[in-house]
Amino acid sequence: DTGVSQDPRHKITKRGQNVTFRCDPISEHNRLYWYRQTLGQGPEFLTYFQNEAQLEKSRLLSDRFSAERPKGSFSTLEIQRTEQGDSAMYLCASSHGGSLNIQYFGAGTRLSVL
Amino acid sequence: EDKVVQSPLSLVVHEGDTVTLNCSYEVTNFRSLLWYKQEKKAPTFLFMLTSSGIEKKSGRLSSILDKKELFSILNITATQTGDSAVYLCAVGSGGSNYKLTFGKGTLLTVNP
Repeated sequence: DTGVSQDPRHKITKRGQNVTFRCDPISEHNRLYWYRQTLGQGPEFLTYFQNEAQLEKSRLLSDRFSAERPKGSFSTLEIQRTEQGDSAMYLCASSHGGSLNIQYFGAGTRLSVL
Repeated sequence: EDKVVQSPLSLVVHEGDTVTLNCSYEVTNFRSLLWYKQEKKAPTFLFMLTSSGIEKKSGRLSSILDKKELFSILNITATQTGDSAVYLCAVGSGGSNYKLTFGKGTLLTVNP
């Protein structure tokens, strides 16, 4: 069990550029989640996958955001035409599902939009 | 809209003190309440509570849930400097308990 891994750990980009983040969940976890966390706030739910199916998207996830989980393994989160307000920590979590469904988090990707 | 409120938002104590962190919630379709510890990295799982009145304990940390009054507490006894972190409370909801709604966290600083 190597834990949830996210890449890159840090990303600095200029406003208007596109960025893509990757998340590798704990193997055998069929559920994967993306959250966004800004300074002084708790993580906010963005979207959720069960296997390869994206089952829910928060209204926080504007049209510029898209997430995929091809083949139900790793996931990518893309932000198009980044804005300064997108600067945040993007956290990925995975879980086994079932009645307990404890979510385990990766270390996050910190995005800074200049 | 689901809501989780933690108090206090920050707390400074000396090593050896006992602290109590509070979490109250208003959510539809409650499934569970979870506590996480976040240092400058990934939130790490501490406890999941689903039933009222049953204390979960791990070393110096313990937690209990009151589903009637809609709150939980996290106790840390004999605090150590390594306990310094943000403690996050989250409530799980949704048909298959997939969605976590987090509070803002309590920043605990333990001074030697």
